[in-house]
This record gives sequence, C-alpha cells and structure tokens, in this order.
Amino acid sequence: AQKITQTQPGMFVQEKEAVTLDCTYDTSDPSYGLFWYKQPSSGEMIFLIYQGSYDQQNATEGRYSLNFQKARKSANLVISASQLGDSAMYFCAMREDLNRDDKIIFGKGTRLHILP
Amino acid sequence: EPEVTQTPSHQVTQMGQEVILRCVPISNHLYFYWYRQILGQKVEFLVSFYNNEISEKSEIFDDQFSVERPDGSNFTLKIRSTKLEDSAMYFCASSEGALYNSPLHFGNGTRLTVT
Repeated sequence: AQKITQTQPGMFVQEKEAVTLDCTYDTSDPSYGLFWYKQPSSGEMIFLIYQGSYDQQNATEGRYSLNFQKARKSANLVISASQLGDSAMYFCAMREDLNRDDKIIFGKGTRLHILP
Repeated sequence: EPEVTQTPSHQVTQMGQEVILRCVPISNHLYFYWYRQILGQKVEFLVSFYNNEISEKSEIFDDQFSVERPDGSNFTLKIRSTKLEDSAMYFCASSEGALYNSPLHFGNGTRLTVT
C-alpha cells in the first residue's frame, strides 16, 4: 500500500490565486514528520515546509502553509497568492520514527502550472 | 545557508562503464542518503548511510551499487557496470538527525545518461 498519496497529477491555476495541493498519508507510527518539496524544471529538490505529528498548529513558511488534518491523515500544501515562479513539481513526503535511520518516502508528485 | 553539493551535474557514460557520483553533504550532518528519479517519475530511495556504514538499502540498490565516505566530507555513489535503465537523476541528501522531525536536504542532483 502506498504510504503517501497525491491524487492530483497536474493542476492549472491562475496567477495570484491560492492553490491547494492534496496529500494523504498512511502510517501506524504515532511519531512522524510530513514534508513538502518543490522541484522546478531545473531539477533540484527544495525543502519547503515541515509538519510534525504532535504539532498543534498548522505549519507556515511565508506563502506556504500546511493544512494538517491528523484524523483524516491529510497534509495539504496551500500556496497563497501564486506566482509564475511557483510552477514546478511538488512532492509530499513522510519520515516515520519507527527506525531512527529511516528514509523519507515520497508521493508521486503534483505538477503545478501557474497561468499568467 | 549551507547546502549539499553534487558533482558532476551531468554525466554521460556508455553501458558497462563504471561511474562515480560525488556529494559533499552539509558539514554538521550525520545521515546521508542517495535517491534516484527516473525522468518524470517518483523519487525512489536507494540507500542510507550512517556512522560509516549502510543503514538501509532498497531493492534497487543491488550489487552493482556501492557507497563510500572516503574522507570527512565526501560521500560517493559508485555504479560498477552501468545499464541503460540506470539513466536517471541521482540525488544526494543529508540530515542532521534521524528523528522524524529532521528534514532531508537535497543536492541539485546529477543527471546520469547511459548510452
């Protein structure tokens, strides 16, 4: 079973609008972290935002915020006031605490296109 | 801000040749990883490395792959006899800790093309 599910392979959004990228996850570990990464067309992987399983408040980093709904096991990324430079692939990822050396597991990604 | 550095950015090699992909992790990080991404596809875990030994490896990381930390700064991935299907973007990553709240910081990747 997939641990990270991103159901939107692609999205088109008008510049300056807000956009929500969906992510659901599956884990039995009570301690886990959720991450979003941005991959522009140039290929690098840029860390955007983190949410911990015990965090009471939703994480925010500038125009990025994470809509964390623990009971529903969802961690959607919200980008406010989208810009042309936000066009990229976005990956949701999870790190569990079961194994202290454990890797990050990625979803399949959502390709976001910002339209002028 | 400290960053993970990967060299080369592009590598073209012939099938059957050996390649070494190089990485300099962030200096105070202790956990190191290699991932790969076949064009347009998912980012896949290859191997994690801590305390000079492999912590975990995926099914992809078979006998043709090896990793090494030859000195205090470099972390390398060697592919002994490349195959066409090894063509991918290879990412090195490092993490300060192994706890769930430690993000992995990725390098810019090495695009490997096997012809």
